[in-house]
Amino acid sequence: DTAVSQTPKYLVTQMGNDKSIKCEQNLGHDTMYWYKQDSKKFLKIMFSYNNKELIINETVPNRFSPKSPDKAHLNLHINSLELGDSAVYFCASSRTGRRTEAFFGQGTRLTVV
Amino acid sequence: DAKTTQPNSMESNEEEPVHLPCNHSTISGTDYIHWYRQLPSQGPEYVIHGLTSNVNNRMASLAIAEDRKSSTLILHRATLRDAAVYYCILVNTGANSKLTFGKGITLSVRP
Repeated sequence: DTAVSQTPKYLVTQMGNDKSIKCEQNLGHDTMYWYKQDSKKFLKIMFSYNNKELIINETVPNRFSPKSPDKAHLNLHINSLELGDSAVYFCASSRTGRRTEAFFGQGTRLTVV
Repeated sequence: DAKTTQPNSMESNEEEPVHLPCNHSTISGTDYIHWYRQLPSQGPEYVIHGLTSNVNNRMASLAIAEDRKSSTLILHRATLRDAAVYYCILVNTGANSKLTFGKGITLSVRP
């Protein structure tokens, strides 16, 4: 069983479209994250949810809206896609605390054309 | 967030030990030292973490300096599959805990 699963794995879409990436974790974790990895391979946190509540929003444009229907899911909806949104998006989950490890999904490669 | 500094890259030979250094001179007393790695085309993967004492697990060992201002990730016998980017990250707060990734160190393993 995959611990953190994201769908789709690849997403190619045109500028201006709206798209969603889904993430599910079956680890019973209470915290979930979205990270973005750009073409230069820098991994940056976008959002963090703890028990379905938003706790970190790292100055991400309003076009990005995370939605957490329950503790096991954190979906990412992106409106009006731009070329600069092309990147690999990783979902992750962990238990709250400094001593716990985070588990990452395999990533969603988004290409905006 | 306290910063970490790592060399850009390192090469090793297969089946030899690898020591990956990390400097974190501004570490606070409550920061945990975490290591993650990212294999090509995959998501980051947890390797090991520690606070003050050296730590061992099935993947690696973590040696932490007595003053905690540096640490070293040790892979005892490098394999080709260990070729990845290794990230040294300090993690502090509770509910707002997050992983702040730097550039990491790219490890190449020669057959």
